[in-house]
Amino acid sequence: SQQGEEDPQALSIQEGENATMNCSYKTSINNLQWYRQNSGRGLVHLILIRSNEREKHSGRLRVTLDTSKKSSSLLITASRAADTASYFCATDSLGGATNKLIFGTGTLLAVQP
Amino acid sequence: ETGVTQSPTHLIKTRGQQVTLRCSSQSGHNTVSWYQQALGQGPQFIFQYYREEENGRGNFPPRFSGLQFPNYSSELNVNALELDDSALYLCASSLQVGGSYEQYFGPGTRLTVT
Repeated sequence: SQQGEEDPQALSIQEGENATMNCSYKTSINNLQWYRQNSGRGLVHLILIRSNEREKHSGRLRVTLDTSKKSSSLLITASRAADTASYFCATDSLGGATNKLIFGTGTLLAVQP
Repeated sequence: ETGVTQSPTHLIKTRGQQVTLRCSSQSGHNTVSWYQQALGQGPQFIFQYYREEENGRGNFPPRFSGLQFPNYSSELNVNALELDDSALYLCASSLQVGGSYEQYFGPGTRLTVT
């Protein structure tokens, strides 16, 4: 079963605009990660935010984490056509003996040139 | 490039058959996880191997089994294939189990069961 849900399911924007995707999850976590997937291929790791962090930046990416609301958001600024992909959040559950990731359902982002 | 490779890229099998998918992890990574991703869904955890032993399993039946070898390669075996096994199978390697170690995903094997 999926741990989290991304919102929206699909998002279409123009190049240069910002894209915001949200993720909600159910259990306490060690960390939350965002991944990108192009055309049903492998997942590319974007950013990891630990449970004791509230915000993290990496280039054009900004991630926030609100553990009280069990939610996270991914902001992509100044989007490019190459950002077109599916984006997934994944959580690493607190207390787990593995680094099993539980993925959300994904947001399909289309950036129009 | 994540340094994780998978073979084959695509595979078509018939219901009831058996299949073996292969993954080569990043050098030095002693943990490998396998995920199944159905069309339009997020990946779902199948199981994880740590130092050649199974170290956690998701909600998958015993006909899904795996092996991890000392040379950082691993296999996912699926017996008695069912139509619902059609999916993208992803492996991911990491430096250590637990904690906040980044997982590096391979490009996946797309399995179609007819």
